[in-house]
Amino acid sequence: ETGVTQSPTHLIKTRGQQVTLRCSSQSGHNTVSWYQQALGQGPQFIFQYYREEENGRGNFPPRFSGLQFPNYSSELNVNALELDDSALYLCASSLAGAEQYFGPGTRLTVT
Amino acid sequence: RKEVEQDPGPFNVPEGATVAFNCTYSNSASQSFFWYRQDCRKEPKLLMSVYSSGNEDGRFTAQLNRASQYISLLIRDSKLSDSATYLCVVNYGQNFVFGPGTRLSVLP
Repeated sequence: ETGVTQSPTHLIKTRGQQVTLRCSSQSGHNTVSWYQQALGQGPQFIFQYYREEENGRGNFPPRFSGLQFPNYSSELNVNALELDDSALYLCASSLAGAEQYFGPGTRLTVT
Repeated sequence: RKEVEQDPGPFNVPEGATVAFNCTYSNSASQSFFWYRQDCRKEPKLLMSVYSSGNEDGRFTAQLNRASQYISLLIRDSKLSDSATYLCVVNYGQNFVFGPGTRLSVLP
């Protein structure tokens, strides 16, 4: 069984740029959720995808968008990067409503 | 009031001690509950789900009180390897809401 993988591991971007983060879900899971975790805080829910449709969204602006593909892998896109977007971005996969399993995360630094 | 609140920590305990973490949640529609642990600069890992009847997994015991909207985690006979941040998670609908975490350091 393959676990959740994310790429890239680390990324440095400049304010105003755009970024795409990728996630491959665990085998058999149909739901992917994305979280932002700032240093010293718990993960904050960005949105969730279920069968290629956005299935719920947290309190994040529209410049945070995503996609889920037929193989249940997913992308998180962030436009017009701001300094406060610097964080660890976590992807979690699950069967709908069940416990979530996290990937190792992508650490984004915006300068 | 935050949706999920936890003991602020940090907790510094000697090896072998028993330590308890508390968590409260504000949304009475919450459906499922979990404890995750997170090591420094790593992803959260599922520790255990929390059931209404309470559940135990080795040295770890989780309790849920829906009436009081309260969840607890008890760790007995703490090991050095238990040092981590413990995250309380509450789920309703599609939304998994994480608490801020409580840091535990088990000292030799």
